[in-house]
Amino acid sequence: AQKVTQAQTEISVVEKEDVTLDCVYETRDTTYYLFWYKQPPSGELVFLIRRNSFDEQNEISGRYSWNFQKSTSSFNFTITASQVVDSAVYFCALSHDMRFGAGTRLTVKP
Amino acid sequence: DVKVTQSSRYLVKRTGEKVFLECVQDMDHENMFWYRQDPGLGLRLIYFSYDVKMKEKGDIPEGYSVSREKKERFSLILESASTNQTSMYLCASNKQPQHFGDGTRLSIL
Repeated sequence: AQKVTQAQTEISVVEKEDVTLDCVYETRDTTYYLFWYKQPPSGELVFLIRRNSFDEQNEISGRYSWNFQKSTSSFNFTITASQVVDSAVYFCALSHDMRFGAGTRLTVKP
Repeated sequence: DVKVTQSSRYLVKRTGEKVFLECVQDMDHENMFWYRQDPGLGLRLIYFSYDVKMKEKGDIPEGYSVSREKKERFSLILESASTNQTSMYLCASNKQPQHFGDGTRLSIL
């Protein structure tokens, strides 16, 4: 069975703080993909990143970085120097059948 | 740009009604998905389809059925709507990554 756990329901930080969103997954597949999506207050789901299970290299995109550790089945997402516009619900997801975690609501206060 | 269109943004129906939620994608994607989103529960997979006339149950299929007669259209059917099916329903197409529609907020009174 596939499962995604986002243990942090809500996180609140002050602007310019760094914040890490945790994602732990379970799967019996040897090949899989992991994803992060952002859902801002407007409601649309925005794709952020996809990571192949064979590629454990960390990725950085501007203020966003992702740490994939197969040994701990985790795919954590860090926002550096957070901004108010980062306020959203963030979802981690796992292929093949695209199971999502419950989401983490991030609030960045000015 | 991929476009996933859900027929209604808001819908209000009564208990016991048969409800159809429609989803159309314009990119010839084989994979389509239906989720419901509830506070604190994230997106829960109801049904998905990897091809025309093909369907697979997700995690919460009870009370729902689906139809995929054409590749571009994936319909979610509430056979006899109940108040616990009040939710936001999201359709998605493709797989890696998925492209989502704007959602249908369905209220069952």
